[in-house]
Amino acid sequence: DAGVIQSPRHEVTEMGQEVTLRCKPISGHNSLFWYRQTMMRGLELLIYFNNNVPIDDSGMPEDRFSAKMPNASFSTLKIQPSEPRDSAVYFCASSFGFDTGELFFGEGSRLTVL
Amino acid sequence: AQSVTQLDSQVPVFEEAPVELRCNYSSSVSVYLFWYVQYPNQGLQLLLKYLSGSTLVKGINGFEAEFNKSQTSFHLRKPSVHISDTAEYFCAVSENSGYSTLTFGKGTMLLVSP
Repeated sequence: DAGVIQSPRHEVTEMGQEVTLRCKPISGHNSLFWYRQTMMRGLELLIYFNNNVPIDDSGMPEDRFSAKMPNASFSTLKIQPSEPRDSAVYFCASSFGFDTGELFFGEGSRLTVL
Repeated sequence: AQSVTQLDSQVPVFEEAPVELRCNYSSSVSVYLFWYVQYPNQGLQLLLKYLSGSTLVKGINGFEAEFNKSQTSFHLRKPSVHISDTAEYFCAVSENSGYSTLTFGKGTMLLVSP
């Protein structure tokens, strides 16, 4: 079975540009999470969805960040405009519900903003 | 709100030696506890979890962890490590209720040398 699929794996962009990260969760999973990982702050939960509905976006750092989940098999995280401090690895994870806490992570998208 | 403390950022150990990675948590309600492992350039994967029942939990790759409610700890152990165990290990907690998401510790890098 395919796991969580993220694209792109690597993105290098210049400050001010728009960045779109994409995620395809595991089929049948109804919860989706976006995390950001940096050396300084570790793993931070940005936003999560349940049944395609955003439940909590309090972790989104600024209005420059937005996330959508138009259907059960696709989600995007957009940064506009990007800044050097947004450089990080962004992970998407999915799960079936919230009961057990077992998240399945994608391999991440490494973003570098110059 | 829950929190997780991983006391050691890095643990160097020789191959075939035992290892313990420490994790303490804080929560005002009952919790679920998890250990995840992250190999270089990969996403996190579940190593083991405690939901209820026996406080000694066995996971993949010979790892085990013990839930100690009075000490609010969930330390990870392995009696004999291999070079291939070199990775970053994350302890995580979620509260046993509703829409409770995982809160991760900062991670412990396990460095196994020959």
